[in-house]
Amino acid sequence: NAGVTQTPKFQVLKTGQSMTLQCAQDMNHNSMYWYRQDPGMGLRLIYYSASEGTTDKGEVPNGYNVSRLNKREFSLRLESAAPSQTSVYFCASIPLTGENYGYTFGSGTRLTVV
Amino acid sequence: KQEVTQIPAALSVPEGENLVLNCSFTDSAIYNLQWFRQDPGKGLTSLLLIQSSQREQTSGRLNASLDKSSGRSTLYIAASQPGDSATYLCAPGDGGSQGNLIFGKGTKLSVKP
Repeated sequence: NAGVTQTPKFQVLKTGQSMTLQCAQDMNHNSMYWYRQDPGMGLRLIYYSASEGTTDKGEVPNGYNVSRLNKREFSLRLESAAPSQTSVYFCASIPLTGENYGYTFGSGTRLTVV
Repeated sequence: KQEVTQIPAALSVPEGENLVLNCSFTDSAIYNLQWFRQDPGKGLTSLLLIQSSQREQTSGRLNASLDKSSGRSTLYIAASQPGDSATYLCAPGDGGSQGNLIFGKGTKLSVKP
């Protein structure tokens, strides 16, 4: 099925551990995004990639790194996980940057840092 | 910085009622505005997109309006059904190089049979 696939769906980390959240889309979209969703905070942008080969910081980038591996894949890495990074992480993609439409979201990764 | 407020935060109605969800935003210089639906434990599904030059957009029982100058949008749901129970998110887009959306915190809707 066409769409955005995120892995893993659930993860528990200990403080200080590292991990990479994977995201892949098969719709030939140019732009990809990582958001986090926290209770009472709404969705906030972590990093985005307007096109293959480019990445930029969003509203809350501290503690994260990203890689746009190719047009399909955009990964989010936590180098040293902290309890404040406990959240639900969503990846999204759109056909063209600047158009703000055609968003497709993945089903999310639920991360708990203990 | 764009700030988005959605009122009410939660709403419970009996099946069959018509209802209105409200969204306000502080920066009227938006490119468009979208309404999303989020089911528990799921991702977001786009419902309606209104371009900044439009006043409203309709899809089935859903109608979204936009008053850009006053910084307001409403989502009208006609003849509500239990299957409409979800969280509804409003997100103005700036259309800039980020292509970013600024999300409200959502309205959690419960439609009782």
